[in-house]
Amino acid sequence: NAGVTQTPKFQVLKTGQSMTLQCAQDMNHNSMYWYRQDPGMGLRLIYYSASEGTTDKGEVPNGYNVSRLNKREFSLRLESAAPSQTSVYFCASSEAPQDADFGAGTRLSVL
Amino acid sequence: GEDVEQSLFLSVREGDSSVINCTYTDSSSTYLYWYKQEPGAGLQLLTYIFSNMDMKQDQRLTVLLNKKDKHLSLRIADTQTGDSAIYFCAERDYNAGNMLTFGGGTRLMVKP
Repeated sequence: NAGVTQTPKFQVLKTGQSMTLQCAQDMNHNSMYWYRQDPGMGLRLIYYSASEGTTDKGEVPNGYNVSRLNKREFSLRLESAAPSQTSVYFCASSEAPQDADFGAGTRLSVL
Repeated sequence: GEDVEQSLFLSVREGDSSVINCTYTDSSSTYLYWYKQEPGAGLQLLTYIFSNMDMKQDQRLTVLLNKKDKHLSLRIADTQTGDSAIYFCAERDYNAGNMLTFGGGTRLMVKP
């Protein structure tokens, strides 16, 4: 049982490049989330998926797109990366209130 | 929208108790959480409390909830150097798509 797995762990992009952050969970959770963490600001929700086939915007969705590929996988795409998207990105999954599990994070730098 | 506030920094001596405070604004919060983040790692769920409870104790951790003042605290008894980390409080609102709203985090430093 690996929990929530994120790839890659680190990434450096140039402004304007695109990339997809991958997330997979093996706990059969219905809900999945993408957060970004910036210093002193806690975690802010980018997008979430309450169940397979549905996605909704969170607090800071601009510049991102998501795909809930199946129940296990929830990907986050940056179509044209900007320096303001330099951050640490966390994927999480949840079934019950006490089951909010987080991945180890992806550290992204946009130059 | 919802707002969750925490103090930025707390320093204690090993063996003392630590109290980390959090305030929130959303009156429809159903669950409130404490997470721990060690350097370079993801978030680890420490404990949670349902909004109709006043207190929850789990080994060295005690969570106190004052719904009237919208104040949540985490007390760590006999604080150890391994407790040094950033602690986040978060609230979940089932009326808003199960979203978790996080505070900015409190960095706890434990001095030997």
